[in-house]
Amino acid sequence: KAGVTQTPRYLIKTRGQQVTLSCSPISGHRSVSWYQQTPGQGLQFLFEYFSETQRNKGNFPGRFSGRQFSNSRSEMNVSTLELGDSALYLCASSLEGTGSNQPQHFGDGTRLSIL
Amino acid sequence: AQTVTQSQPEMSVQEAETVTLSCTYDTSESDYYLFWYKQPPSRQMILVIRQEAYKQQNATENRFSVNFQKAAKSFSLKISDSQLGDAAMYFCAYRSANWGGSEKLVFGKGMKLTVNP
Repeated sequence: KAGVTQTPRYLIKTRGQQVTLSCSPISGHRSVSWYQQTPGQGLQFLFEYFSETQRNKGNFPGRFSGRQFSNSRSEMNVSTLELGDSALYLCASSLEGTGSNQPQHFGDGTRLSIL
Repeated sequence: AQTVTQSQPEMSVQEAETVTLSCTYDTSESDYYLFWYKQPPSRQMILVIRQEAYKQQNATENRFSVNFQKAAKSFSLKISDSQLGDAAMYFCAYRSANWGGSEKLVFGKGMKLTVNP
């Protein structure tokens, strides 16, 4: 069974641009969450999608947005990029999104660098 | 809001020895899940072990075991017979156990474990 797939693995952008990151969850998983990982702030929750609906959102500005498609694949978009958006963006999926003890499975992440 | 604290930013252990990683958390909820994830330089977060708060028995997975003290809100990870492949960042994480609710994980800052040959 394939794991969580994130594309691209690396991305370099300049300030003011926008970027879209993609996440394909494990087959059968319907819940997808996104996290931002930086050396200073650690791992911070961005948002979570379940059955194409955003179920929870972290404390990030409106420049950060996401969506989920009917096949459970998810994308996140960051507009008007700032230097502080440089980070590793991790996607995680889980089986049912029922709050059960089923763990989240993570992808390898997308390393975003802003010049 | 829930918080997770890992007070030791770095630790080292000799190969084949035992090491304990500490984690404390704060919550007003009575039902929740706790996890330890490992992140090697390859970047992928790998689940090491999980514990349901309603279970008194400590979870064990091969060389990995936890000491869960609910009243003290403590959740430490013990690695026995440490191996070179155990070297990684280790993250303690908390998740509410609300049925039909969010899967959101709250992470600690992480701890870098070095294994010396």
